[in-house]
Amino acid sequence: SQQGEEDPQALSIQEGENATMNCSYKTSINNLQWYRQNSGRGLVHLILIRSNEREKHSGRLRVTLDTSKKSSSLLITASRAADTASYFCATDANGNQFYFGTGTSLTVIP
Amino acid sequence: EPEVTQTPSHQVTQMGQEVILRCVPISNHLYFYWYRQILGQKVEFLVSFYNNEISEKSEIFDDQFSVERPDGSNFTLKIRSTKLEDSAMYFCASSAVPNQPQHFGDGTRLSIL
Repeated sequence: SQQGEEDPQALSIQEGENATMNCSYKTSINNLQWYRQNSGRGLVHLILIRSNEREKHSGRLRVTLDTSKKSSSLLITASRAADTASYFCATDANGNQFYFGTGTSLTVIP
Repeated sequence: EPEVTQTPSHQVTQMGQEVILRCVPISNHLYFYWYRQILGQKVEFLVSFYNNEISEKSEIFDDQFSVERPDGSNFTLKIRSTKLEDSAMYFCASSAVPNQPQHFGDGTRLSIL
């Protein structure tokens, strides 16, 4: 199975702190994506990083990808209470089948 | 911004009955997907659909499931003879091209009694 695994499963931080979540996967990929899910809602795409990229930024988000270790990290800087959500990585090896990880539940305390 | 819309938001059905979950993908998207998320668990891929046919499906997507694009806007997931373990959130997603960000609907919560 190619399914990703995020860690930690749960993370609680104070507003203003940085949050780092990690994702590991098992097989070669074309790209890796991070999604966010608020409780009871669908997933919202955050950022995509291709297999030939090592780092990507989008606003307060920074994603790294290490294909040799088959891992990625998502850093949210200067966290806000509104960042409270579950965060998932998704990988694809080919075609249209995406594998989502188990998710990290982030709580940002105001 | 265009959205993927799903109806109903909550469906309660007796075990053994058939259900149809509906989705309206973003209008210029060509690739469509269904996912399932059992409460508290990961999001699981069910099926992808392109050019009026299934392009990929997972082991979960057995003969109990079928998908259809009955017209130019709707994309449906039919579950025949529902079982208790079919209770989950079902998400529809669409994308303009493969391997690109997918846009998700807010899901249909399916409860099998």
